[in-house]
Amino acid sequence: QKEVEQNSGPLSVPEGAIASLNCTYSDRGSQSFFWYRQYSGKSPELIMFIYSNGDKEDGRFTAQLNKASQYVSLLIRDSQPSDSATYLCAVNIRSGGGADGLTFGKGTHLIIQP
Amino acid sequence: DAGITQSPRHKVTETGTPVTLRCHQTENHRYMYWYRQDPGHGLRLIHYSYGVKDTDKGEVSDGYSVSRSKTEDFLLTLESATSSQTSVYFCAISEGQGGFEQFFGPGTRLTVL
Repeated sequence: QKEVEQNSGPLSVPEGAIASLNCTYSDRGSQSFFWYRQYSGKSPELIMFIYSNGDKEDGRFTAQLNKASQYVSLLIRDSQPSDSATYLCAVNIRSGGGADGLTFGKGTHLIIQP
Repeated sequence: DAGITQSPRHKVTETGTPVTLRCHQTENHRYMYWYRQDPGHGLRLIHYSYGVKDTDKGEVSDGYSVSRSKTEDFLLTLESATSSQTSVYFCAISEGQGGFEQFFGPGTRLTVL
């Protein structure tokens, strides 16, 4: 069973601080890793993806990947109240027909306190 | 936003009734997916398609069937709805396989009484 694990939270962070979200995965063969943001009652929105070990930065967001430890994280700098949402970690899986679905973690609920 | 629409957006039905949900895309992406999202379970893959008339099962396919007769449309059918199929259903699309990013539609909230 291929799994993706996240702390469900809530994770409470003061406005302007760094929010750190973590995710572990069980399948060593996974190659692609994604972070989605989901506001209550809305659909998941892709905010970052990473394929290689190390850091990838995009604006206030940094994704970090460590394949040896099977660990991926998302850092949000200068956190804003609008960052309050559930963050889903997703990892690609190989399905029988050759198309990759995604295995999702259950998400971390992030609250940015003004 | 990716050009993905889902219909209906909300539906209430009774146990034993057939239900069809529609996903329509204007991006001409080859791959399309159906997920369900439930509290405590997160998002789970139901079925996916890798081309017209090419589909395969996901993690939670029992009780569901799909069809794709055109690139732009992917239908999810509950042959005989049960209360356990009450959920929010999301369609997603991707341009390619091998870990290409997926983009989600707005979702359909289905309640089976």
